[in-house]
Amino acid sequence: EAGVTQFPSHSVIEKGQTVTLRCDPISGHDNLYWYRRVMGKEIKFLLHFVKESKQDESGMPNNRFLAERTGGTYSTLKVQPAELEDSGVYFCASSHSLAARGRTDEQYFGPGTRLTVT
Amino acid sequence: LAKTTQPISMDSYEGQEVNITCSHNNIATNDYITWYQQFPSQGPRFIIQGYKTKVTNEVASLFIPADRKSSTLSLPRVSLSDTAVYYCLVGAGNTGKLIFGQGTTLQVKP
Repeated sequence: EAGVTQFPSHSVIEKGQTVTLRCDPISGHDNLYWYRRVMGKEIKFLLHFVKESKQDESGMPNNRFLAERTGGTYSTLKVQPAELEDSGVYFCASSHSLAARGRTDEQYFGPGTRLTVT
Repeated sequence: LAKTTQPISMDSYEGQEVNITCSHNNIATNDYITWYQQFPSQGPRFIIQGYKTKVTNEVASLFIPADRKSSTLSLPRVSLSDTAVYYCLVGAGNTGKLIFGQGTTLQVKP
């Protein structure tokens, strides 16, 4: 079974440009999460899809970030325009089930996309 | 969501047992305790999850005392390949989002 894949593995762009990150979850996983780690900080939740619907986008930093999940399969995260503070590693994770109260279903993470904004 | 506290780093030698303790004084009644492992240049990977007493799988054991205010991840006979960051997480958001702390960087030496 293929794991979660992310593309690209590394992206270097200039401030003000646009970048689109892609995540392919494990087949059959309805839940898809985006997280990121900026330099020196902890991994932070960005948003959660259940199929094609945004379930929780409370972690999205601002309106320069747009996430989509067309058809409930792969997801994209677009940053437009990119700023220096957006540099970091963006992780995608997927899970089969929703969490029961207080308990998380195992989330499978991709290798991440390292974004560098210069 | 309960805040967790764990050591920033630990050193060990190959073949030793490693115990990483996590404090979570404000754990809620329904909260489970979950540990993830992260190798360099990879995403986190689920290790183990428990609610009380002891849980064991092929990778690790998780010990949770009766008051559940702390938990200990035990890695038997570590090898160099166990060098990683280990995260203790408690509870989950309503939609299962994970709340990561700083983690414990374990360095296994030959």
